[in-house]
Order: sequence, then C-alpha cells, then structure tokens
Amino acid sequence: QQQVKQSPQSLIVQKGGISIINCAYENTAFDYFPWYQQFPGKGPALLIAIRPDVSEKKEGRFTISFNKSAKQFSLHIMDSQPGDSATYFCAASSNSGNTPLVFGKGTRLSVIA
Amino acid sequence: DGGITQSPKYLFRKEGQNVTLSCEQNLNHDAMYWYRQDPGQGLRLIYYSQIVNDFQKGDIAEGYSVSREKKESFPLTVTSAQKNPTAFYLCASSTASGGAYEQYFGPGTRLTVT
Repeated sequence: QQQVKQSPQSLIVQKGGISIINCAYENTAFDYFPWYQQFPGKGPALLIAIRPDVSEKKEGRFTISFNKSAKQFSLHIMDSQPGDSATYFCAASSNSGNTPLVFGKGTRLSVIA
Repeated sequence: DGGITQSPKYLFRKEGQNVTLSCEQNLNHDAMYWYRQDPGQGLRLIYYSQIVNDFQKGDIAEGYSVSREKKESFPLTVTSAQKNPTAFYLCASSTASGGAYEQYFGPGTRLTVT
C-alpha cells in the first residue's frame, strides 16, 4: 500500500493568518499531487494541483510548495478566512502506473475571527 | 459537484440487507471510482473502473460489488457481508484512470445500517 502521510490532523488559525498543511509520500513514481477541499456533508472539490517539474504553484490565496528530494509537498493558505474552514486532503498518483489517487487522511482547518 | 449525481443523499437499511448506491456522470469520463469515508480515515478506495465492462478492486473491496454496463453509470452494492457498512460513500470520475487527469467527486451518499 503506497501511502501519503498528512499532518496535522487538525489546525486552528486566526483570521488573516497563514494555514500550512504538509504531506509526505513514499512512492517516487508519483507525479501528480492534488489538494482537495471538503465541506461537511459535501463531496471533495479539487483546489489546486502540482506536478514535480515545478517547485511551487500559486492560485489566488492557495499555494502548493513541492520538494521532490524530500518527497514532501505542502498547501499554504494565505490570509485565511472563516470560509476556508473545511477539511483538506492531499493526494498523489502515478500516471505511468495508471493507478487511482492515494489520499492522505485529511486536515480539519478552523479559521477563527 | 460537476455533473456527477449520487442518489439518494441519505439511505437507511436494516442489517443483513443488500443496498445499491447510484452514481451517474454526464461528463463523458472514462474512469469512475467509489470511495468510502469514515471520520479520521480519509478516503479509501473500494472499486474503480477504467472502461465499460471492466473494474478493479481497491483497498477495501470486501463486502462490496460493482458493475459498469454503461459509461455514465457505476452503481455500488453494499452486501450483507460488509461488516461495518455505515459510512459516507463518494463516487468520482476522471477523464482517464491514473490520476493525471482531474478527479471530480459527487455529493455523496450517507448510508446508515442498523
């Protein structure tokens, strides 16, 4: 079982602060790393994704940082807002292996005013 | 929820009964997936299908069965052999299996078995 380890399990951040969620993977064949956002009772929605040919990708307030040598990637949420309160999942897959996404166990983020 | 529908949203069954969860997509995606979500466990893959009439077991396939007779439909049956069926079930699809293409999720079905 190829794993993706995600931390922390839960995170509380002040409004306007930076939320940081980390993931580490084992399989060096992984070449696609998405992040999903899930609100209670809803299905996860793709937030942002990165491939290992770049070290960083930014979309609005959301940034993925990728460290290939350390086999780690992280999600940064700048200027965190109460509306960002949700559960975030990292995932990984290998296109060459044609395998489904492997998910981390999730991080529950609470942004407080 | 991007063109993937799951029905019903809530489902209640008695222990020992089989139950089928519906998943339909109108995105013309080749691949479809079923995940189970339990608190603190993330998303665990039950079954996936890359093309019609073909499917593969995921990590927790025991007690579940699927069919893929049509490209747009991928129903999941939770059998009486599944020891802990109460969970939130999520269906997803992508343009091709392998994760290199974006995977879209449905709204989920919460199954409660008593």
